[in-house]
Amino acid sequence: RKEVEQDPGPFNVPEGATVAFNCTYSNSASQSFFWYRQDCRKEPKLLMSVYSSGNEDGRFTAQLNRASQYISLLIRDSKLSDSATYLCVVNMRGNTPLVFGKGTRLSVIA
Amino acid sequence: DAMVIQNPRYQVTQFGKPVTLSCSQTLNHNVMYWYQQKSSQAPKLLFHYYDKDFNNEADTPDNFQSRRPNTSFCFLDIRSPGLGDAAMYLCATSTELAGGHNEQFFGPGTRLTVL
Repeated sequence: RKEVEQDPGPFNVPEGATVAFNCTYSNSASQSFFWYRQDCRKEPKLLMSVYSSGNEDGRFTAQLNRASQYISLLIRDSKLSDSATYLCVVNMRGNTPLVFGKGTRLSVIA
Repeated sequence: DAMVIQNPRYQVTQFGKPVTLSCSQTLNHNVMYWYQQKSSQAPKLLFHYYDKDFNNEADTPDNFQSRRPNTSFCFLDIRSPGLGDAAMYLCATSTELAGGHNEQFFGPGTRLTVL
């Protein structure tokens, strides 16, 4: 099993739609979880951290399910500008660098 | 503005001709990373520095070397680039390695073409 797995997509959704991505991780001792956004031919940028209690930032909601070892990202009211690749990032164990998933590609269509 | 800067943004080299990519940061972060990212793939960690301590990933080829002469600068040297080394090379920094919610800040990347 890969350390961090994501559905590569692409997810093609109309403007205004709600879309959700899941990401699974292999190490049950993982401590920190993030969603990064990467636009085409650009660098990744932090979208949001994922807390145990879940967190919400505007149209974006992130959830963590430790029992099933996955994190999710929900985007409500999709905008054209949300089109990007969303990278799931996990800290597998303490004091080591983060591990990146391959990303899920989202295209929001007018 | 504090940031992570990479130069050059685009680099073309010939097969086997050594190339050096540079990264600088004004964030005063302890940790600097080099990643290789190929199309539709995850960023692949090559190595990182925690202060002056160098940490090489087990599967990073010997062809890739790095130097960190001071807190602000980090270099990636590719001694004999092959066609398979064509990729985006991303530099990143963070205050600490991991744990908590330490964000990694990425530079804009250097896109390497090998002819």
